[in-house]
Amino acid sequence: QVQLVQSGAEVKKPGASVKVSCKASGYTFTNYDINWVRQATGQGLEWMGWMNPTSGNTGYAQKFQGRVTMTSNTSISTAYMELSSLRSEDTAVYYCARKYDFWSGYAYLPCFDPWGQGTLVTVSS
Amino acid sequence: EIVLTQSPGTLSLSPGERATLSCRASQSVTSTYLAWYQQKPGQAPRLLIYGASNRATGIPDRFSGSGSGTDFTLTISRLEPEDFAVYYCQQYGSSPYTFGQGTKLEIK
Repeated sequence: QVQLVQSGAEVKKPGASVKVSCKASGYTFTNYDINWVRQATGQGLEWMGWMNPTSGNTGYAQKFQGRVTMTSNTSISTAYMELSSLRSEDTAVYYCARKYDFWSGYAYLPCFDPWGQGTLVTVSS
Repeated sequence: EIVLTQSPGTLSLSPGERATLSCRASQSVTSTYLAWYQQKPGQAPRLLIYGASNRATGIPDRFSGSGSGTDFTLTISRLEPEDFAVYYCQQYGSSPYTFGQGTKLEIK
């Protein structure tokens, strides 16, 4: 089945970087964009950006511009999200999600499906 | 940036009742680009509705979505115990692809 499996929890010090991986299976990895979304404890969902595995093109939310880098290794069907200059406010669960476009017969209907299980990143001194 | 405002923040209902969740956008959103997700504690979000009104694979028909422009609604016709969760709407029409703040559906 279509599945995204993420790397394990991380603990980082302020100012450090973290790199989270997201391994895809059950579909052709290069055919779909991967998006990244984060969720602080008890809070809502925050979209961070997207990456196209074929072209390497990316689009980042302005809030994360300059601090986030999204890449992939197509040979192992894995996407990566690296966040630098970490601060305590970056403590959150980070999710990857495949952007899927359903064809309605007259338009493509985009959505995120499926999602990875999430990776907890804790930033603490 | 399109801001999505969900209401109510918390909805307390009993199994068997009807739930109506609202998602209001600060600017018009093409219905093609409006989705709903369900999230249970400790789990990743799960796709419920795409294109404002289309149920995802495996989603029971008690879930339905409607709306256009700036006002969208998720309706659960008869609540089952497993439906108590947090629900998010999301727009994919304009970057950044924002989410609403969520509606928590709790057992009364």
